Amino acid sequence: EPEVTQTPSHQVTQMGQEVILRCVPISNHLYFYWYRQILGQKVEFLVSFYNNEISEKSEIFDDQFSVERPDGSNFTLKIRSTKLEDSAMYFCAGTTGVGNTIYFGEGSWLTVV
Amino acid sequence: AQSVTQLDSHVSVSEGTPVLLRCNYSSSYSPSLFWYVQHPNKGLQLLLKYTSAATLVKGINGFEAEFKKSETSFHLTKPSAHMSDAAEYFCVVLRGWGGNQFYFGTGTSLTVIP
Repeated sequence: EPEVTQTPSHQVTQMGQEVILRCVPISNHLYFYWYRQILGQKVEFLVSFYNNEISEKSEIFDDQFSVERPDGSNFTLKIRSTKLEDSAMYFCAGTTGVGNTIYFGEGSWLTVV
Repeated sequence: AQSVTQLDSHVSVSEGTPVLLRCNYSSSYSPSLFWYVQHPNKGLQLLLKYTSAATLVKGINGFEAEFKKSETSFHLTKPSAHMSDAAEYFCVVLRGWGGNQFYFGTGTSLTVIP
């Protein structure tokens, strides 16, 4: 079965550093998402991306965050200047269309120290 | 507005006994509902989904869930728990018309006792 793959699986970074999380979605997916899960808390929506632009974003997704899909394959989440509270598991997801099943990657665990 | 409430943060069952994980939803429209499972150090795996077809939905690994509109519930069940079922389970509602956001419940941690 096709999978959404994410790299790195785990990254430790110093506060204030830039981080890029990468995702390779399933090839026929058109809508892409980032979610995050702070340890012990609910999975939260960050952003959705369609047709090479952001379609929705949450309050969490402030100016420190950006997404892009530069080569039509990799879908990246960039955090420009990490904060301690950015420590979380970040999930990439994709789907073929609105209302269809969303498939998640295994997550990238980010630890900011 | 859409939301889900998972009534139990932790459930413990003996191997071979039934599993019941409870979920109530609120939705302005006829909802699409999902159950996802997260094993330790793993991603979110789809167990099953309800999208206004049959109210009893069968998923993978012997799990099923019944959509009950009158009770606004979508409880997950399995007749006989297996050790490999130990994981975190999330009830999820898809935001309706024109949207594509998932709203996650807070999760239920299932422990299976040998």
